[in-house]
Amino acid sequence: ETGVTQTPRHLVMGMTNKKSLKCEQHLGHNAMYWYKQSAKKPLELMFVYNFKEQTENNSVPSRFSPECPNSSHLFLHLHTLQPEDSALYLCASSPPRGGQYEQYFGPGTRLTVT
Amino acid sequence: AQKITQTQPGMFVQEKEAVTLDCTYDTSDPSYGLFWYKQPSSGEMIFLIYQGSYDQQNATEGRYSLNFQKARKSANLVISASQLGDSAMYFCAMRVYGGSQGNLIFGKGTKLSVKP
Repeated sequence: ETGVTQTPRHLVMGMTNKKSLKCEQHLGHNAMYWYKQSAKKPLELMFVYNFKEQTENNSVPSRFSPECPNSSHLFLHLHTLQPEDSALYLCASSPPRGGQYEQYFGPGTRLTVT
Repeated sequence: AQKITQTQPGMFVQEKEAVTLDCTYDTSDPSYGLFWYKQPSSGEMIFLIYQGSYDQQNATEGRYSLNFQKARKSANLVISASQLGDSAMYFCAMRVYGGSQGNLIFGKGTKLSVKP
């Protein structure tokens, strides 16, 4: 069983809706990540948090708003999305940056914007 | 600029045979790590194997081995004795350690289909 969980697994929302994606890790890691995976494109890193502080925002539109209340939880708040935002959103966690470590991924939330 | 290239969009292999998935990378930094992940249809990215740029030997993990050719900047994944459960997307990724950024850079992936 994965140490990183994501809810919901599937989400369909209209362009005017507001929803949130949740990620939780049980691995004692201090870094957490949001990725977007669109069809036939490489994974795109969206946000990085280290020790609850956002350390990277890869020019993500403001309709995506991350929140990291503690090292175990990460949220992605969504509002006024566009159809091109439909994708698989993956959360990952890892030990603090600086070491040779892999990232552990959750199962993803498959988002469809109608 | 750092980049990962996977030139095989899809591969087929017969069950019990070996298969090699290609990956080339580009970086000018001498310190980096290379990763392979498996993504089944369920969506979860599963870590398979890691190779550090200074590692003298090729990494192996069970049926997975990484054919690391530093001069050619290639890090091919070899899966021996393929199983039906190996059917999935496979992603090569790189992390550069020398700069201020240390995030994973992924390739576009290769879809592996294992035939019975």
